[in-house]
Amino acid sequence: AQSVTQPDIHITVSEGASLELRCNYSYGATPYLFWYVQSPGQGLQLLLKYFSGDTLVQGIKGFEAEFKRSQSSFNLRKPSVHWSDAAEYFCAVAPRDYQKVTFGTGTKLQVIP
Amino acid sequence: DGGITQSPKYLFRKEGQNVTLSCEQNLNHDAMYWYRQDPGQGLRLIYYSQIVNDFQKGDIAEGYSVSREKKESFPLTVTSAQKNPTAFYLCASSIEPYEQYFGPGTRLTVT
Repeated sequence: AQSVTQPDIHITVSEGASLELRCNYSYGATPYLFWYVQSPGQGLQLLLKYFSGDTLVQGIKGFEAEFKRSQSSFNLRKPSVHWSDAAEYFCAVAPRDYQKVTFGTGTKLQVIP
Repeated sequence: DGGITQSPKYLFRKEGQNVTLSCEQNLNHDAMYWYRQDPGQGLRLIYYSQIVNDFQKGDIAEGYSVSREKKESFPLTVTSAQKNPTAFYLCASSIEPYEQYFGPGTRLTVT
């Protein structure tokens, strides 16, 4: 069955430290890949997306993600975390022949001073 | 400014009552979606519509109904048949396949 996994439910980092959030998928072929961010009680905002081409994609708010086909992963990174980055982050995938998007269960990021 | 609006932000209902959640977009997007979000479960697709007067069931459509009479509007009705309706509901739209824009959500509490 097709699936997307975010193994970390909750992550705590210090402000200024680097961040990596993990995402692994299980699909028959390389899907489209997304990362979204959600502040408490709000909707989701698209951070970045991978469709094809360069496997390192840049997004908004200083985030980047790297697609690794061999590992079926699409991990989100940020070199230096700011307190305002505290939120929940969702990885999402969609097969290339269908519009339905599948979301991971999310990773909550806490940023400490 | 273009965007997606959902109303109301908070909604309270008694068990056994139907309730309709509003979703409006002025982005001129063809496709619209409804998701349900519960803690620790991510987003689960309820219904989606790729064009006016047409919609498809998602993964958890039981107990829900939708209509798509206008391109801008995609209301969701939570019926009394939905066994556990208390949740956070998110509406989204897209013009390209897959890249979705989300509304601010409606938190429904049924007691």
